[in-house]
Amino acid sequence: GAVVSQHPSRVICKSGTSVKIECRSLDFQATTMFWYRQFPKQSLMLMATSNEGSKATYEQGVEKDKFLINHASLTLSTLTVTSAHPEDSSFYICSALWWGRSGETQYFGPGTRLLVL
Amino acid sequence: AQSVSQHNHHVILSEAASLELGCNYSYGGTVNLFWYVQYPGQHLQLLLKYFSGDPLVKGIKGFEAEFIKSKFSFNLRKPSVQWSDTAEYFCAVSRVRGNNRLAFGKGNQVVVIP
Repeated sequence: GAVVSQHPSRVICKSGTSVKIECRSLDFQATTMFWYRQFPKQSLMLMATSNEGSKATYEQGVEKDKFLINHASLTLSTLTVTSAHPEDSSFYICSALWWGRSGETQYFGPGTRLLVL
Repeated sequence: AQSVSQHNHHVILSEAASLELGCNYSYGGTVNLFWYVQYPGQHLQLLLKYFSGDPLVKGIKGFEAEFIKSKFSFNLRKPSVQWSDTAEYFCAVSRVRGNNRLAFGKGNQVVVIP
């Protein structure tokens, strides 16, 4: 079934640097991918919708200049956390939308744990 | 905005006990419904989904869920849990002919004691 990968699985960086996270759909094409943050013991918070070939749609309160999203191909979306600060430390999860005959389903990647020092 | 409610965030039960997790949503239109499971240290996996048809849906690992439209509910059940069912369970809802965004409940942390 539909498999989504993320890279890296974890990253530690210094404050002020930028970090790029990749999300790939391995066995299907995804014109739409989603980026979430998950805080400890909490549910997923949608950050943005990534659309292949067009600009991402950001949720209210999410800074588009800080969280740059590029969906350059049907199997790859990237999230770049620019000028990262300790408060950006979190678990970032992507999903890819799979279109089946009866409806669409999001399949999730394994997540990327970001720690900003 | 639609919302998804999951009650009893922490559930502790013994092996072989039955499990039922409630899920209610607020959106009045046609919806797609999902249950995802997140095992410790692992990523979200799809447990089951409902799009249309038979309101009783069977998923993986012996789980099933029943869509009751009049109650705006999509409760998850398993007749006899195992220690390996220890995980966090999330209910999620998307609007049919919407923008494919999922609204998640806050999750149920289920601990099964051997």
